Amino acid sequence: NAGVTQTPKFQVLKTGQSMTLQCAQDMNHNSMYWYRQDPGMGLRLIYYSASEGTTDKGEVPNGYNVSRLNKREFSLRLESAAPSQTSVYFCASSGQGVLNQPQHFGDGTRLSIL
Amino acid sequence: GQQVMQIPQYQHVQEGEDFTTYCNSSTTLSNIQWYKQRPGGHPVFLIQLVKSGEVKKQKRLTFQFGEAKKNSSLHITATQTTDVGTYFCAGKVGANNLFFGTGTRLTVIP
Repeated sequence: NAGVTQTPKFQVLKTGQSMTLQCAQDMNHNSMYWYRQDPGMGLRLIYYSASEGTTDKGEVPNGYNVSRLNKREFSLRLESAAPSQTSVYFCASSGQGVLNQPQHFGDGTRLSIL
Repeated sequence: GQQVMQIPQYQHVQEGEDFTTYCNSSTTLSNIQWYKQRPGGHPVFLIQLVKSGEVKKQKRLTFQFGEAKKNSSLHITATQTTDVGTYFCAGKVGANNLFFGTGTRLTVIP
């Protein structure tokens, strides 16, 4: 059981470039989440998906889009990367009930925007 | 703005000493979760508290949820080097908002 798998682990982009962060879980979880973690800021919720086919904004959604491709996969897209989006991005999943169950996190994607 | 405040930001203790981190919210929380993140790692779920005044224990770790459901604490008795990491609380506000505290980074000196 891999749990939550994120790709890539590291990425460097130039300002204005686009990219998609991939996330997949094999725990048959309904809910999936994308967070960013910045020094001294803790984790902040970008978007979440309560179930396949639905997505909702979290605390800091501006500059991002998401797609819940199927129950397993939840991707995060940066259309035009900005230096302020340099961060560590974590994907997480949980069982039934948004934010009512333990969240299982992937290993993160370390993204630098130059 | 930050919905859940966590203190202290850093804590250095000698091995064997106790450690406590506190979370405070200006609004009532539906539940609160605690996570531990080792350096370079990802957050790992420790526990969830739901009821007002709830206290839960996991070996040397004691978790409390305040009577008003606006604050919580994590206490570690007799710290060990394996306790090193950053401890985060995450408070659920309303139906669909979860706010992580800024974390407390614990260093244990052997």
